[in-house]
Amino acid sequence: GAVVSQHPSWVICKSGTSVKIECRSLDFQATTMFWYRQFPKQSLMLMATSNEGSKATYEQGVEKDKFLINHASLTLSTLTVTSAHPEDSSFYICSAAGGTGFSDTQYFGPGTRLTVL
Amino acid sequence: RKEVEQDPGPFNVPEGATVAFNCTYSNSASQSFFWYRQDCRKEPKLLMSVYSSGNEDGRFTAQLNRASQYISLLIRDSKLSDSATYLCVVRGNTGKLIFGQGTTLQVKP
Repeated sequence: GAVVSQHPSWVICKSGTSVKIECRSLDFQATTMFWYRQFPKQSLMLMATSNEGSKATYEQGVEKDKFLINHASLTLSTLTVTSAHPEDSSFYICSAAGGTGFSDTQYFGPGTRLTVL
Repeated sequence: RKEVEQDPGPFNVPEGATVAFNCTYSNSASQSFFWYRQDCRKEPKLLMSVYSSGNEDGRFTAQLNRASQYISLLIRDSKLSDSATYLCVVRGNTGKLIFGQGTTLQVKP
């Protein structure tokens, strides 16, 4: 089946630093990638949707200047949390789909646990 | 009101028990429905899609009632390995996946 990887799997950083998370589709071309965030005991919340070669579409309430998304190739999308603060500590999960629409099956990466001190 | 609502539990059941989870969704235009399983500190994994006619996969049975906007998951003969959080997921009319908070199941020996 389709495999999606994320790197790093966990990261601890100081407040004010920036953190980059990579999401890769290993055996298929991901036209669309999704970034989710999950706080403890809460549901996954969609942050943004990115299509290869175009700007990401952010969900309401998600700051695009704080969460920079780049989808430069069909196998790689990156999420950069800029000037991270403790409230950004969360579980960040990406998913990838081979098609261009939301109706396509999404394959989830293993997630990245971010802790901001 | 949340778009997808689930009883967070936890549900503590003995091995071999039958357990049922329920979920309601608010958008009547929702297109498709799923149950995902999420283990602690891991990504969600698709358990099964849910159809109006009801569908079964081994010990798991899912049911959808569009009129009541209600989805259920029944697990028969619970195993220790079934311990996890079960997420009710709805694909809304925008096509996006909307996740419930999850229901935690703990199966005890």
